[in-house]
Amino acid sequence: KQEVTQIPAALSVPEGENLVLNCSFTDSAIYNLQWFRQDPGKGLTSLLLIQSSQREQTSGRLNASLDKSSGRSTLYIAASQPGDSATYLCAVPESGGSNYKLTFGKGTLLTVNP
Amino acid sequence: KAGVTQTPRYLIKTRGQQVTLSCSPISGHRSVSWYQQTPGQGLQFLFEYFSETQRNKGNFPGRFSGRQFSNSRSEMNVSTLELGDSALYLCASSLLGSQETQYFGPGTRLLVL
Repeated sequence: KQEVTQIPAALSVPEGENLVLNCSFTDSAIYNLQWFRQDPGKGLTSLLLIQSSQREQTSGRLNASLDKSSGRSTLYIAASQPGDSATYLCAVPESGGSNYKLTFGKGTLLTVNP
Repeated sequence: KAGVTQTPRYLIKTRGQQVTLSCSPISGHRSVSWYQQTPGQGLQFLFEYFSETQRNKGNFPGRFSGRQFSNSRSEMNVSTLELGDSALYLCASSLLGSQETQYFGPGTRLLVL
């Protein structure tokens, strides 16, 4: 059974700082990994999807890396802004024959202080 | 292109009642998934539908059920509500399934009293 862990659970940084969020998964036979952002009381917004054959994926100030062999992904946020404050979640499709569900980590609550 | 919509956005029910939540996917998307989000358990998978067929079901009791219509809109139903069913219910759509980018709706906040 796939398990996804995100560390740290919460992170508080001053504006302008570069930061890294971590995601680890127990079964390395993943098809892809997705990073999402969730604002309080809202739905999830997809940030990046990184395929298993990729090492990195970039979108603006965000960069996601994937190391399947070690079961880890990182989300790098450059020059953080107060608007980046949100919960960040990573998710992988279920391994095995039935790839119709995502397994999520519990998320990292990011606070960027002005 | 309109995003995923969910109705209603907020709902208050009492124990023992039943509730139906609706999800309209992005036009052209045939896969709809449902998740329950609570502070303690995080996001947990409920079920996934594709072309009116349930392809996968999570570890929830039979009180939780769903269906998908020919236009890809989906509903989920919870019967005999319990206090522990209070949660944010999220649906997500994609063209074919979980191996693609998932687009989430704003969720339905259910409070059971």
